[in-house]
Amino acid sequence: DAKTTQPPSMDCAEGRAANLPCNHSTISGNEYVYWYRQIHSQGPQYIIHGLKNNETNEMASLIITEDRKSSTLILPHATLRDTAVYYCIVRVAGNRDDKIIFGKGTRLHILP
Amino acid sequence: KAGVTQTPRYLIKTRGQQVTLSCSPISGHRSVSWYQQTPGQGLQFLFEYFSETQRNKGNFPGRFSGRQFSNSRSEMNVSTLELGDSALYLCASSFVRSGVSSYEQYFGPGTRLTVT
Repeated sequence: DAKTTQPPSMDCAEGRAANLPCNHSTISGNEYVYWYRQIHSQGPQYIIHGLKNNETNEMASLIITEDRKSSTLILPHATLRDTAVYYCIVRVAGNRDDKIIFGKGTRLHILP
Repeated sequence: KAGVTQTPRYLIKTRGQQVTLSCSPISGHRSVSWYQQTPGQGLQFLFEYFSETQRNKGNFPGRFSGRQFSNSRSEMNVSTLELGDSALYLCASSFVRSGVSSYEQYFGPGTRLTVT
């Protein structure tokens, strides 16, 4: 079973920041938080991952709470192309167990 | 660098038949994983191959099998197809160093299988 809980859907106005929450209250000390997204009819796309520090890349920022029980993915200036299902996943990185357990994700609608 | 490619993109089969799907990973990636996506069950892990060996396996019946070749290309096979096998089958590859996978997986566009 997935170890994360996400809202099933969210709306965000185009040009605004989209903040997608994720709860992972049972996360272990060696588990990373990953975010992927899946645009309709395409394969999932890796966005970002982090352990305990906040992370930023060209696509998004990841904010992880100090107790690591929740995190937020931030798309700073959402566009219509960001409409997708966003998956938050916890996973031990860098080991031989390379399977990803996907939950239901959050369907993000960007409104023009 | 070319992405993960999967062939064919679309396939229609009838119950009882078997099917083989192919996946070519990103150059240099030696780990290949397979996933099944259906509207009801979402994305589910099937199995992972590394160095021509199955390294991890999900909870699917033995009708689902796979293999990996020396060039890291992978195939998955489903025998005795059932209507419930209709799904999008996704392949993902990742870089491996010293037997340890990198942080992210790169997914292909998938093969949409319809069983009638």
